[in-house]
Amino acid sequence: RKEVEQDPGPFNVPEGATVAFNCTYSNSASQSFFWYRQDCRKEPKLLMSVYSSGNEDGRFTAQLNRASQYISLLIRDSKLSDSATYLCVVGHNDMRFGAGTRLTVKP
Amino acid sequence: NAGVTQTPKFQVLKTGQSMTLQCAQDMNHNSMYWYRQDPGMGLRLIYYSASEGTTDKGEVPNGYNVSRLNKRDFSIRLESAAPSQTSVYFCASNGRRHQPQHFGDGTRLSIL
Repeated sequence: RKEVEQDPGPFNVPEGATVAFNCTYSNSASQSFFWYRQDCRKEPKLLMSVYSSGNEDGRFTAQLNRASQYISLLIRDSKLSDSATYLCVVGHNDMRFGAGTRLTVKP
Repeated sequence: NAGVTQTPKFQVLKTGQSMTLQCAQDMNHNSMYWYRQDPGMGLRLIYYSASEGTTDKGEVPNGYNVSRLNKRDFSIRLESAAPSQTSVYFCASNGRRHQPQHFGDGTRLSIL
């Protein structure tokens, strides 16, 4: 079993839609959680950290469920510019990356 | 604001050739990392350095050597390149272990 697992997608949604991604992790002692965004053939860029109480940044909401060992990302009012691959990252002794979930937002 | 700078951006090697990829960060970060990214897989950690002069193996260290001679620079060397090392290589840095990492824009390496 992979340490960090994501549905690879692709998720194809219309502009304005709400879309949610989940990510599960296997190490219950993990201490840090992030969502990164990666555009085609570019470097990963931090989208947001994920805190125990959940957190929101504009149209983006991240949640952590330690009991079930997953984190989620909710994107509201999708924009064309949200099209990218979203990487789940979980940290214990080092950072482990999910393979990513690909999102395409269509007009 | 350069952040993390990687050189070269592209390289093609023949099997058996050697090559050093360079990475420099100007954010005064203690920790630096080298990852590889292959299609359909997440980034996998090759080596990391928690501080100047120290290095540790990551998930996939075989076939690579690294060097952290100062706080700014972290290089990775392929002594005898193999086709299985064809990948996109990313360098990253952060201030402390559980902080978000900042990435360079990658080196696309092809080994024929």
